[in-house]
Amino acid sequence: DQQVKQNSPSLSVQEGRISILNCDYTNSMFDYFLWYKKYPAEGPTFLISISSIKDKNEDGRFTVFLNKSAKHLSLHIVPSQPGDSAVYFCAGNSGNTPLVFGKGTRLSVIA
Amino acid sequence: DTEVTQTPKHLVMGMTNKKSLKCEQHMGHRAMYWYKQKAKKPPELMFVYSYEKLSINESVPSRFSPECPNSSLLNLHLHALQPEDSALYLCASSQVNLNYGYTFGSGTRLTVV
Repeated sequence: DQQVKQNSPSLSVQEGRISILNCDYTNSMFDYFLWYKKYPAEGPTFLISISSIKDKNEDGRFTVFLNKSAKHLSLHIVPSQPGDSAVYFCAGNSGNTPLVFGKGTRLSVIA
Repeated sequence: DTEVTQTPKHLVMGMTNKKSLKCEQHMGHRAMYWYKQKAKKPPELMFVYSYEKLSINESVPSRFSPECPNSSLLNLHLHALQPEDSALYLCASSQVNLNYGYTFGSGTRLTVV
């Protein structure tokens, strides 16, 4: 059973536009969510997180929205830049349990 | 130092070989993890060490043997692997309180021939 789902394997966006990456989860015990970004031949790097007590967290061009009733979160990148092209992983956990990752979405930002 | 260093970056081994993957961090993190990632799949948890003790083993076959010699080092000993074990092996570390997320290494690309 996949607890964290990223149903779009890929996404292409024009430079300067908004990128929206979506993530759904099934485990209602999850209370913390993170987004990681991964370039080829590198390990994932932490991007932004959100606690279940919030519905939005913003860090520069990156904003994560959490809709607990829908068990859905999304990552907004605006404006998108070519350097944002990477695979983005959504992850969640409850308490101090290990993170559970989604399959990832490959974002391509086209100049 | 805010890095997790993994060596080697690439490894090709035969099914009868014994090899080890190494991971090192100097951030004072007391939780360390091994993940396995295959193409177009999410990272899958293998082992968790907390305060140098194995706290989670996700039913990993015994041909993978983790070791945590001290709070900065994590090894993964490999023996009699199968070609389907070929994958990217990622090490990560974190504070035991996970609110700051994990710091991942760049991974070891393992090919079993």
